Amino acid sequence: GENVEQHPSTLSVQEGDSAVIKCTYSDSASNYFPWYKQELGKGPQLIIDIRSNVGEKKDQRIAVTLNKTAKHFSLHITETQPEDSAVYFCAASSNDYKLSFGAGTTVTVRA
Amino acid sequence: DADVTQTPRNRITKTGKRIMLECSQTKGHDRMYWYRQDPGLGLQLIYYSFDVKDINKGEISDGYSVSRQAQAKFSLSLESAIPNQTALYFCATSASGATNEQFFGPGTRLTVL
Repeated sequence: GENVEQHPSTLSVQEGDSAVIKCTYSDSASNYFPWYKQELGKGPQLIIDIRSNVGEKKDQRIAVTLNKTAKHFSLHITETQPEDSAVYFCAASSNDYKLSFGAGTTVTVRA
Repeated sequence: DADVTQTPRNRITKTGKRIMLECSQTKGHDRMYWYRQDPGLGLQLIYYSFDVKDINKGEISDGYSVSRQAQAKFSLSLESAIPNQTALYFCATSASGATNEQFFGPGTRLTVL
């Protein structure tokens, strides 16, 4: 089955700086790569996703890049704000519509 | 109102007890999932269902069972709870068709003493 590894497990950044989270996957058949944000006491919520036919996607301050050859994808958050503090999960999926999740990254934005 | 609801939100029980966690959705989605979240392990798939007559085991189905009572309802049962089933449980839904996006409920925190 798919194995997704996520790094780092914790990340502390100064407000206004950028944050980068990296994930690798094992199954070359995976073609969908979402990122979820989980705030305290809530369920994960999709913030951005990318499909294997695209190398980069951007939505305001967040962006995701995908390198299919190397089997890794990354989340980039620019101009971090206190409300960006949360746990972030990457995931990978193929045409079976099941998601395999990374272990999560706890992001803390320092004021 | 929330699109995906879970009951109860918190539950404390004792070893050996039977527990049912319920999930309801108003999104009209065909697909429903149950995940378990443990610190440092991300979310692990327990069971999933692509329609009312379809039930499939996920990565960690041992000790769990499910029931898809209707398109909108998907229940997770622990027949005889044990302490290492203490975790946060999430239900999720997704639409059929060429999409993988899943929508999560708020979670149930289960403690087995």
